[in-house]
Amino acid sequence: EAQVTQNPRYLITVTGKKLTVTCSQNMNHEYMSWYRQDPGLGLRQIYYSMNVEVTDKGDVPEGYKVSRKEKRNFPLILESPSPNQTSLYFCASSFGLAGGVLTDTQYFGPGTRLTVL
Amino acid sequence: AQKVTQAQTEISVVEKEDVTLDCVYETRDTTYYLFWYKQPPSGELVFLIRRNSFDEQNEISGRYSWNFQKSTSSFNFTITASQVVDSAVYFCALSGFTGGGNKLTFGTGTQLKVEL
Repeated sequence: EAQVTQNPRYLITVTGKKLTVTCSQNMNHEYMSWYRQDPGLGLRQIYYSMNVEVTDKGDVPEGYKVSRKEKRNFPLILESPSPNQTSLYFCASSFGLAGGVLTDTQYFGPGTRLTVL
Repeated sequence: AQKVTQAQTEISVVEKEDVTLDCVYETRDTTYYLFWYKQPPSGELVFLIRRNSFDEQNEISGRYSWNFQKSTSSFNFTITASQVVDSAVYFCALSGFTGGGNKLTFGTGTQLKVEL
């Protein structure tokens, strides 16, 4: 079954304790991305990756890191989480851009609800 | 820059009523893509439709229909004979070159509540 998986689905942590949210896709997609969803703000992009070893900042990258060592995996790293990073996080994947535009349907993971105390 | 506006924060209807969710977008691109996603109470994002800027034909899929009008920069979504299972948050999103091309720009979502 074609899917994007995220782990953990729920996480409660404390300020400053490093954490990693994993994301994996089995569709051989080049493009992967992380979004956060906050009430009244919709979804905002944190980081994206066009392919292995190619990553770049989105609209709200502060406090986050990513890596893309394998095509299928795109972990999101919070080195020192803070309460303002409490949010619902989504990983997404698709085939690459066409003409510099994301044209393909984005497949989203089930989401990770993170609470930072 | 590009922007998506979903002015309706929350809509409540009674089952079997028709309901239209509005989506207005801003972009300077001539080529762009529009999407609708559904987020049920369980939280996942479910893809509903993708439309490119050159295809202004309306789309119907069962009880769902979409009205794309470039003249008013709108891509509205109508549910006919709504059902309780339609209760969800619905997001409209846009992808275009001037938005960076590498992301979806989402609206803030419309919460639809369908009651018996």
